[in-house]
Order: sequence, then C-alpha cells, then structure tokens
Amino acid sequence: GDKVKQSPSALSLQEGTNSALRCNFSIAATTVQWFLQNPRGSLINLFYLVPGTKENGRLKSTFNSKESYSTLHIRDAQLEDSGTYFCAAPTSGGNYKPTFGKGTSLVVHP
Amino acid sequence: AQTIHQWPVAEIKAVGSPLSLGCTIKGKSSPNLYWYWQATGGTLQQLFYSITVGQVESVVQLNLSASRPKDDQFILSTEKLLLSHSGFYLCAWSPQGGDTEVFFGKGTRLTVV
Repeated sequence: GDKVKQSPSALSLQEGTNSALRCNFSIAATTVQWFLQNPRGSLINLFYLVPGTKENGRLKSTFNSKESYSTLHIRDAQLEDSGTYFCAAPTSGGNYKPTFGKGTSLVVHP
Repeated sequence: AQTIHQWPVAEIKAVGSPLSLGCTIKGKSSPNLYWYWQATGGTLQQLFYSITVGQVESVVQLNLSASRPKDDQFILSTEKLLLSHSGFYLCAWSPQGGDTEVFFGKGTRLTVV
C-alpha cells in the first residue's frame, strides 16, 4: 500500500472559506514537507516540519510523528491557493528518498 | 542564495531518439541532487539521487541514466526514448545529510511522439 496517503484527493472551496488537508504515513516519518504545485508545474515549498506546528500567513501545518500524520490548514482560501498540494516524507531517516503522496487537487472558486 | 536551473524548459522528441536533460545548482557546495519524474496528473517518483560527484544511485529503472560530472551539475539521459518517457522531469537538491529540506527546479516537460 501507499506509504504516504493524502486526503482528500480533490477539494473545491469557495473563496474565503477554510479547510484542512491530511497526510497519513505508514512509515516512521521523522520530518515532512508540504508543497504546492502550480498550474505551470513548479513546486513551491510551503513547510518543512519536524514534529510540531508551523504557521505562515493563512497556512498552518502540524506534524504528529507519534500518530504518523500531518495536516495543512488553509484559512480564508484565495483563488491563488488553487493547485495540487503534495506532502512528502523520507521513507526512513537518512536514506535520501523522500516519498510523495498522490496529492490533493484544490480548486478555489469565487 | 541558492538557485537551481533546469534545461530545456520543454522538449518534443521522437521515439527512439536520444535525450539529455540538465540541471545546475549555484550557491551551494556538495548538495544532494535528485531527479524526479511525474506523469500527467500523477505523483512524483524519484528516479536517481547523488550525494557526491561521480556517484549516482538508481531508485527506479525506467531505461534512463543519470550522471553527476561536476559538483553542481546533474544530467539525465537516454539513448533511445520510449513513449512512456513522456512527462514532467524535476531536478531537486537538498543540503548534505539524508533528512533535509528538498528544493525543486522548475522542471522540463517532455513529450515523446
């Protein structure tokens, strides 16, 4: 099965609303990264987390290594938040192989 | 600040033709380097990684090869393209060490016809 599972696979939000994306790990993840892939394909680094929480503007991410999950909260969604969100974690510490989830495709509409 | 440059931006190539994609990282010495491949609408699959010049490890066999001729350069190539090679190729780097933040280039979109 997938070592990194993302949910939901797709999401449609109205501008100004809030939502949360989730990443579950079946591996012993020690760190997690969240990316936004824009329509051109570029991957934008959103967060790099050790266990704990980080916040950046309207985005907040939490990584719980004991329960093997991470969440990405989007507050007051804007049109420019549309794209595909990926989480990634090394399959085991120090092995140079960050494994990606299948992504959450987000569309924010007016 | 570190910069990562990939070339070309896009390619349309015939089946059976050779391919060479390049990636250069500036502003960081001895980075870990990675090649990823993404099918349209799919997730990212790591193809190769390198922790030092001249040393490349294959993660997935896709009839592709990679080389690291210089500390700041990573090359992905094949002598004969297949239709299944179409997709989006991304080069990435991370600082030394195995569990560090990864940064991506802007990618090369390859269409094999």
